[in-house]
Amino acid sequence: GAVVSQHPSWVICKSGTSVKIECRSLDFQATTMFWYRQFPKQSLMLMATSNEGSKATYEQGVEKDKFLINHASLTLSTLTVTSAHPEDSSFYICSAKRTGDLHEQYFGPGTRLTVT
Amino acid sequence: AQSVAQPEDQVNVAEGNPLTVKCTYSVSGNPYLFWYVQYPNRGLQFLLKYITGDNLVKGSYGFEAEFNKSQTSFHLKKPSALVSDSALYFCAVRQMASKIIFGSGTRLSIRP
Repeated sequence: GAVVSQHPSWVICKSGTSVKIECRSLDFQATTMFWYRQFPKQSLMLMATSNEGSKATYEQGVEKDKFLINHASLTLSTLTVTSAHPEDSSFYICSAKRTGDLHEQYFGPGTRLTVT
Repeated sequence: AQSVAQPEDQVNVAEGNPLTVKCTYSVSGNPYLFWYVQYPNRGLQFLLKYITGDNLVKGSYGFEAEFNKSQTSFHLKKPSALVSDSALYFCAVRQMASKIIFGSGTRLSIRP
C-alpha cells in the first residue's frame, strides 16, 4: 500500500508554454502533498506544501504565480509550470502524507521536465 | 533551525564488505530521522526511520541505522553490501509539525 504516482513521467515543452504535472495517491487519502524540485546530482528542495481544499504554502524564493499548485481532492494534487523557461528544466517529485499519519511521506517516481 | 549533513558525496565499497553512509543532524528538540534511497530517474524509496525507542533501527533490504543522540548522528549501515545497493542515499530530519529537510545525498557505489 501507500503508492504515489506521477504523470507524466517525462515531458518536453517549448519555452513560453505551460505544463501540468499530476500527483496521485493511489490507495490512500492524502490531506497533505508536497512538491519538490531536484537538480542533477543535488538534493530535493521543497517548493510547496499542498493541503486539500486550501491554498498551497510556498517556500521562500518559489514563485507562486509561476508554479501553480492545486489540491482539489484527497488523492490528487497538480503542479502547473506556467510560461516555462529552460531554467525550469528539472526533476519534479511529489510526496503525500496519509491522512492521520504523522511522520511518513510517500514519494512519487518523479517527472522529468525539459524546456526547449 | 533544523539541518542535516551528509559529509561524503560518494562512498565506494567492495561487494560483500560492510558499508556505512554517514549522517549528522541538528535540531532543537527531539528529531525524527529518515533514510531514503533513490535510483536513477526515480523518486525516493523509504528505507527506515527513527521516531523513538530503540536506537538501532532496522529497515528494508537489510539496512539498519543507529541513532546516537550524543553525537547527533544517524549513520546508515549494512553488514554485507550488494552491487544492487548502488544508488543515491538521502538522510532526512524533521521535528514535529515542521517540514522534512533532506541532506545533500551520498552516492553509494558497490564494486563487484
